[in-house]
Amino acid sequence: GAGVSQTPSNKVTEKGKYVELRCDPISGHTALYWYRQSLGQGPEFLIYFQGTGAADDSGLPNDRFFAVRPEGSVSTLKIQRTERGDSAVYLCASSSGGVTDTQYFGPGTRLTVL
Amino acid sequence: RKEVEQDPGPFNVPEGATVAFNCTYSNSASQSFFWYRQDCRKEPKLLMSVYSSGNEDGRFTAQLNRASQYISLLIRDSKLSDSATYLCVVNNDNSGYALNFGKGTSLLVTP
Repeated sequence: GAGVSQTPSNKVTEKGKYVELRCDPISGHTALYWYRQSLGQGPEFLIYFQGTGAADDSGLPNDRFFAVRPEGSVSTLKIQRTERGDSAVYLCASSSGGVTDTQYFGPGTRLTVL
Repeated sequence: RKEVEQDPGPFNVPEGATVAFNCTYSNSASQSFFWYRQDCRKEPKLLMSVYSSGNEDGRFTAQLNRASQYISLLIRDSKLSDSATYLCVVNNDNSGYALNFGKGTSLLVTP
């Protein structure tokens, strides 16, 4: 079946601009996660959704970052007033919803802020 | 101090060699442990979960030592296709769902 998909695969923007990154989870998966991976680092947790609600957004670095999942399926990660330090690969993962269920990752969106 | 520490390598080994990776974690309340594999410019993929009793999947063996807060991965009879970054992963103790990743250990298997 189809895996997690993310669009766009690459996004180049200028400092100060607004960007939206989209994640389409595996069909039927109720849990959705966003992670950020900087060069040479492992992925870092940003936010977790169970259904439509953000169950834990403790990983969001500051209030410029926001994510939604209005219908419990597709999620959008929104970054306002982008900074060069936001450049990274943004990974989305989904799982069946149990806390120990395997998280399946999408291919990521590579964000470059100039 | 990062919650999950790994030797970044790189580990360069010839085909057929046995190679071992180690990882330590700081939070004794962590409950779930994994090894993920990540190919260059690709997403991480689950290689195997790690259990206290140790577990094996073909050429791969994972061990967990809770007392020492130490996780290991052993790869026997290395193949060229094993070349990748291996990420040690521990769950978030408070919630059980957010994953904490190490920086990864880079492996290059050469002919």
